Amino acid sequence: AAGVIQSPRHLIKEKRETATLKCYPIPRHDTVYWYQQGPGQDPQFLISFYEKMQSDKGSIPDRFSAQQFSDYHSELNMSSLELGDSALYFCASSLRPGYTEAFFGQGTRLTVV
Amino acid sequence: DQQVKQNSPSLSVQEGRISILNCDYTNSMFDYFLWYKKYPAEGPTFLISISSIKDKNEDGRFTVFLNKSAKHLSLHIVPSQPGDSAVYFCAASVGNTGTASKLTFGTGTRLQVTL
Repeated sequence: AAGVIQSPRHLIKEKRETATLKCYPIPRHDTVYWYQQGPGQDPQFLISFYEKMQSDKGSIPDRFSAQQFSDYHSELNMSSLELGDSALYFCASSLRPGYTEAFFGQGTRLTVV
Repeated sequence: DQQVKQNSPSLSVQEGRISILNCDYTNSMFDYFLWYKKYPAEGPTFLISISSIKDKNEDGRFTVFLNKSAKHLSLHIVPSQPGDSAVYFCAASVGNTGTASKLTFGTGTRLQVTL
């Protein structure tokens, strides 16, 4: 069965650069969530979308922005990267809002040097 | 402020025995709780959930118990199998439907099931 696809799997950027992470939800899933997991930390909620509209916002820095497109894929744009942005970024999708039906992708590991 | 806490960073259990993973929360608004399992280099996988209107939910070898007055929940795995070795995250949300609201994760407990 198709799962949540995140690309790229690994990304290395320099400080002050820009990065774009992509998330392709499971077909027919209309809800996308983004999480950030720093080294040795628990996943922290960043932002979520339902039917292409932002649904909830967590601890997402102003340097970050995200959107969900008409095909329901989502992109997380990160500018002016800092060393502290190095983390594993997870995307999850669900058919309508509801975590019991949410499936997580394998994550994008971002390293800022 | 860690609203969901898993005080045991690691747990080692023999195959066939019961694994008990604990989780405490501080936010009384939480009314939906979930357990996720995570292998290295993979995303979290949903295991089992419980609504605050229940005190127990069972699914095969996995049972989650909720004690609302103590703000405590636990995951029991019986019998434990080597394939259960992973990091287990407790998570909580305010509601589970309606809006794509945030999930607050605990810090995780690494379970090692030994032969």
